[in-house]
Amino acid sequence: SQQGEEDPQALSIQEGENATMNCSYKTSINNLQWYRQNSGRGLVHLILIRSNEREKHSGRLRVTLDTSKKSSSLLITASRAADTASYFCATDAPGSNYKLTFGKGTLLTVNP
Amino acid sequence: GAVVSQHPSRVICKSGTSVKIECRSLDFQATTMFWYRQFPKKSLMLMATSNEGSKATYEQGVEKDKFLINHASLTLSTLTVTSAHPEDSSFYICSAIGSASGSTDTQYFGPGTRLTVL
Repeated sequence: SQQGEEDPQALSIQEGENATMNCSYKTSINNLQWYRQNSGRGLVHLILIRSNEREKHSGRLRVTLDTSKKSSSLLITASRAADTASYFCATDAPGSNYKLTFGKGTLLTVNP
Repeated sequence: GAVVSQHPSRVICKSGTSVKIECRSLDFQATTMFWYRQFPKKSLMLMATSNEGSKATYEQGVEKDKFLINHASLTLSTLTVTSAHPEDSSFYICSAIGSASGSTDTQYFGPGTRLTVL
């Protein structure tokens, strides 16, 4: 079952602006990962954040995790047209043997 | 590092034929591989978990006799769609976890295979 829910479902911004996407989940987790998918392509791994971590950075990406609210956010700063893609969060639960449950995704469009 | 490949990238076949899709971890040994299916503008749905040398574990609702999975080595898993029908048309993506980059928690995904059944 899909326990992740991304918000918003679609986001359109101008180049240079920041983009924030949120993800909520329902059960306890070991890790939460964010992936990017360009249309018709595979998934590119962005960041993994563990359940005992609250924030992680990677380049222009910042991910936060609030396990009390069962939510995570992905912030992309200074967006570029090349950031246009679908973004998914995925969680794995304790004892799941790394099985990922994906959210529905946010379609981000960065207009030049 | 941590590259996963899939072959073919797209395939068109006639109804009733079988199609084999390969998933390879190119620079690491994958202890576990996963097979997902994705419908247009939808999220990924896990089909099965594949461990080297053992039978695959299928998710509820996935027909194991229709979607045959073989994980013959630590770098190769195959998905065979048997007696394919138009409703099997979809985007199939594999992922792998292993000792890539020192992380055993990160799943690395292949580029996907677009299957069209006429």
